[in-house]
Amino acid sequence: QKEVEQDPGPLSVPEGAIVSLNCTYSNSAFQYFMWYRQYSRKGPELLMYTYSSGNKEDGRFTAQVDKSSKYISLFIRDSQPSDSATYLCAMEGYNNNDMRFGAGTRLTVKP
Amino acid sequence: EPEVTQTPSHQVTQMGQEVILRCVPISNHLYFYWYRQILGQKVEFLVSFYNNEISEKSEIFDDQFSVERPDGSNFTLKIRSTKLEDSAMYFCASRTGQGSYEQYFGPGTRLTVT
Repeated sequence: QKEVEQDPGPLSVPEGAIVSLNCTYSNSAFQYFMWYRQYSRKGPELLMYTYSSGNKEDGRFTAQVDKSSKYISLFIRDSQPSDSATYLCAMEGYNNNDMRFGAGTRLTVKP
Repeated sequence: EPEVTQTPSHQVTQMGQEVILRCVPISNHLYFYWYRQILGQKVEFLVSFYNNEISEKSEIFDDQFSVERPDGSNFTLKIRSTKLEDSAMYFCASRTGQGSYEQYFGPGTRLTVT
């Protein structure tokens, strides 16, 4: 079983749709959960983070962590064409020194 | 706004040659990282570096790899004898200190081994 699993997509939605992106993981030591956005041939850019279980909202983005199920989600409301990118989940343990990424989901939002 | 910079943006080298990839982390950051991303695959952790020594390294980071902070600003990744499978994007990242989770990534160096 892979340490972090993420459906690579691609995922295509119409503008204005709600997007749901998900990852599962196997390592119960993970405590910090991040979502990064990566545009083509660019470095990852941090979008959201959560510590342990719970929800966090930032504008159109909501991150959810369910540690009991080892499942994390990112929701994007009112999606825009500019949201088209690859979304990477990432997680690490208490030491913050060996972050593990999912494969990334490629999202296209069509006008 | 401060940012992580990396040079060169693209490096082409022949198999067996040594390469050095360079990064300038954000100036007040204390923790430094290298990641790689083979085309079409996920971002993979290579190594973390703090207080002039390696904190963690992955199974990918074998004896062919080394890191160094030769001065107060640069952070380098050296691959001693490149292999075809080393072709990838290499990202440098940095963060401020303990308790700060946010890593800032550079734009990457595309390494092509022929």
